[in-house]
Amino acid sequence: NAGVTQTPKFQVLKTGQSMTLQCAQDMNHEYMSWYRQDPGMGLRLIHYSVGAGITDQGEVPNGYNVSRSTTEDFPLRLLSAAPSQTSVYFCASSFDRRTEAFFGQGTRLTVV
Amino acid sequence: RKEVEQDPGPFNVPEGATVAFNCTYSNSASQSFFWYRQDCRKEPKLLMSVYSSGNEDGRFTAQLNRASQYISLLIRDSKLSDSATYLCVVNQGGQAGTALIFGKGTTLSVSS
Repeated sequence: NAGVTQTPKFQVLKTGQSMTLQCAQDMNHEYMSWYRQDPGMGLRLIHYSVGAGITDQGEVPNGYNVSRSTTEDFPLRLLSAAPSQTSVYFCASSFDRRTEAFFGQGTRLTVV
Repeated sequence: RKEVEQDPGPFNVPEGATVAFNCTYSNSASQSFFWYRQDCRKEPKLLMSVYSSGNEDGRFTAQLNRASQYISLLIRDSKLSDSATYLCVVNQGGQAGTALIFGKGTTLSVSS
C-alpha cells in the first residue's frame, strides 16, 4: 500500500517558470490538502479538496492552482515561480474530518 | 490571532523526565484535535488524536478542554527517541472542517 505519493522529491526552478507538483493517494480518501512548510512558520494550508471536482483556498493560496479531476490525484500548479515559493511542500489525505491525515514525503522546492 | 498557538520551545530535557506541551486554538467550531510528530526533514505523522475525555497511549497523555479551547500533551519517562517536533493540529470547523490547521510546533530534545 503506497499511501500518499508525491513527485518530485526535489526541484530547482528559475524565477518565472511554471511546474506541477504531483500528489496521488491509493486509500480512496475524499479529502486532500496541500501545505507548505517554512522555517519558523509551521505548516500552512495552500488549497484543499473535499472530493473530486471540489476545491477551496486555504491560508496562502496566491500563486498556486489546484484541480481534483479524480479521487486519487490532487496536483498543485505553480503558475510563475517566485523565490518566495522556496519551501517544502506536503500533500495530505484523510478519510474524513475526524480521522488521521496521511502525508506524502514532501517536495523540496528551490526557486532561484 | 493565530488559529493554533503552541509553546515556543525548544524543550531540552534529560532522559526519564516528564514534559508537557500546551496548545490553544481560536475557532470554537473545531471538532477534531490531534498531536502529530515530525522528525527532521520528514513528513508529519499522527501521534494521537485528542478527545474530550482525555486519552492515554503508553507514556503519552492528551487532554482537551473545549471551554478554554486548550489542548495538552504529556510525555512521561522521556526517551532519546522522543526527540522531534510536536505539532498541535485542529480542524478548521464548519464547511471547511476537513482542512487541518497546524501550530508552529514545539521542538523536544531529550539527552542522555
